[in-house]
Amino acid sequence: DAGVIQSPRHEVTEMGQEVTLRCKPISGHNSLFWYRQTMMRGLELLIYFNNNVPIDDSGMPEDRFSAKMPNASFSTLKIQPSEPRDSAVYFCASKATGTGELFFGEGSRLTVL
Amino acid sequence: DAKTTQPPSMDCAEGRAANLPCNHSTISGNEYVYWYRQIHSQGPQYIIHGLKNNETNEMASLIITEDRKSSTLILPHATLRDTAVYYCIVRTDNYGQNFVFGPGTRLSVLP
Repeated sequence: DAGVIQSPRHEVTEMGQEVTLRCKPISGHNSLFWYRQTMMRGLELLIYFNNNVPIDDSGMPEDRFSAKMPNASFSTLKIQPSEPRDSAVYFCASKATGTGELFFGEGSRLTVL
Repeated sequence: DAKTTQPPSMDCAEGRAANLPCNHSTISGNEYVYWYRQIHSQGPQYIIHGLKNNETNEMASLIITEDRKSSTLILPHATLRDTAVYYCIVRTDNYGQNFVFGPGTRLSVLP
């Protein structure tokens, strides 16, 4: 299996631009998590899905952030408009139901100028 | 999920055992203890988990106290590549459970 695949690996954009991060979970996994990591705040859970349905989005910082999972093999995290404080590494992770072994992607490093 | 408490940092000499503690005094009967680690800028990696009994795999051993209020992750022969942040997480495996990471313990393996 190729593991959790995230794209892009690096993104540099200007304030006000829309950013879309993509994630392909491991086939057969039905839980998907989005995290954000910064030096100041550590690893924060933003939102997670079970069977493509958002279960808890209380970690999403504000309305500028949105996440979708249109099918079992794809999810997006969108920031519109982006701000410099959104600069971070964004991780996607997936797991199978009934297990606690999360598999993480390599992350998307976002820099907003 | 039960709250966990870990020391912010620890040092260990290369080749020696690294013993990383975690307190989870409010753990409930159906909550597992999970350990993950994050090496530099990579995504966290699963290490081991347990419910009541001690567990061992190729990476580490997990010792859970009889009252389950604390646990210790043991890396038997630490190498420089074990330098990482180690996270202790307590959670059930029920449907819909979240997965929250605390600040963890930054382990530095010294030559």
